[in-house]
Amino acid sequence: SQTIHQWPATLVQPVGSPLSLECTVEGTSNPNLYWYRQAAGRGLQLLFYSVGIGQISSEVPQNLSASRPQDRQFILSSKKLLLSDSGFYLCAWSGGATGELFFGEGSRLTVL
Amino acid sequence: GENVEQHPSTLSVQEGDSAVIKCTYSDSASNYFPWYKQELGKGPQLIIDIRSNVGEKKDQRIAVTLNKTAKHFSLHITETQPEDSAVYFCADTGTASKLTFGTGTRLQVTL
Repeated sequence: SQTIHQWPATLVQPVGSPLSLECTVEGTSNPNLYWYRQAAGRGLQLLFYSVGIGQISSEVPQNLSASRPQDRQFILSSKKLLLSDSGFYLCAWSGGATGELFFGEGSRLTVL
Repeated sequence: GENVEQHPSTLSVQEGDSAVIKCTYSDSASNYFPWYKQELGKGPQLIIDIRSNVGEKKDQRIAVTLNKTAKHFSLHITETQPEDSAVYFCADTGTASKLTFGTGTRLQVTL
């Protein structure tokens, strides 16, 4: 069966520090991978998606970047965090015929 | 999809009552409409979905209806239980084949 792992689960970082959130998927090959952000009390905003290694599409201009160094690994990064980067970050994958998205457990980032 | 509106933003019902959450969409090419449930501190999970070739789908206490003419779809939960308390998101996918989510509904089932 397929599983998705995301870490760290919680992170508190000072403004201006770097960020690296990692996501890996097991049990499937060539998945579509996604990073979403969920601000407090708000919906899910798509940040990046990837259909293959090294292929990254950005949905919104921002202070973050994403990379896919391996087929089932997706990384969300920032060189210098802003206060507005605080939120709940969710990694997800899809790949079946249904188009269903499978989400990780999320990473809560607090920038102070 | 391009834009998905979801109402209400919060909903409180008594245990055993029904809950209805509604969403409208704008992309006429949308053909897949999933509903996700997000429990506190966790990632969303798919609970039911519907495709554009059917008008209604039911799974035990959960049902989804779709009106393509009016471009709206709804989630119906009957005989609500405390464990139904969560945030529910609707979504659609159109020509871009990426899900666009609604802003979520926080459902509280009270005893």
